[in-house]
Amino acid sequence: GDSVTQTEGQVALSEEDFLTIHCNYSASGYPALFWYVQYPGEGPQFLFRASRDKEKGSSRGFEATYDKGTTSFHLRKASVQESDSAVYYCALGDDGEGADRLTFGKGTQLIIQP
Amino acid sequence: GPKVLQIPSHQIIDMGQMVTLNCDPVSNHLYFYWYKQILGQQMEFLVNFYNGKVMEKSKLFKDQFSVERPDGSYFTLKIQPTALEDSAVYFCASSLDWGGANAEQFFGPGTRLTVL
Repeated sequence: GDSVTQTEGQVALSEEDFLTIHCNYSASGYPALFWYVQYPGEGPQFLFRASRDKEKGSSRGFEATYDKGTTSFHLRKASVQESDSAVYYCALGDDGEGADRLTFGKGTQLIIQP
Repeated sequence: GPKVLQIPSHQIIDMGQMVTLNCDPVSNHLYFYWYKQILGQQMEFLVNFYNGKVMEKSKLFKDQFSVERPDGSYFTLKIQPTALEDSAVYFCASSLDWGGANAEQFFGPGTRLTVL
């Protein structure tokens, strides 16, 4: 079945550091790819999506490029802020029977030290 | 932005009892979802629901599970009877559309279910 692998369980950085969170996927079809962010006490919030090879999704300074060749959708940000501290989830969407069923990775806890 | 509410935030029950988890989706959304997250593991899809019907369910959606949204009120997940392995956080989500630009799923804050 479909799966999403996030390599890092936790990433600790200082403000203004460059961020990379790795995401690789395995799917039989041509899925849409997503990044979600979750703050304490809240549900995951949609960050952005990409639906085809080489498409770049972006929001709030975060970006990721759909790479079908390497089956990756790595999250990057040039300069992180303390407010970016949260859990980040990579997910893929399978349109299935008429509504997206999302398959999530395990999440990466991002800790930004001031 | 649009909010999905979940009631209660935490529920503790004895194994074998029935439990109903309530979700108040975004008002104009048409598609509804439940996901389950066991502590330390990833969130997993349970079921999606549209126009009064289950569209798709995963193997985690056991026979003891059911969903409904009577008369446009809460979207509910009922578990009857509950088992120890049902202990998890259950997230509800809703979306306006599927498979396109309006397919963004909005998630609630989750209900933590503890089965003793």
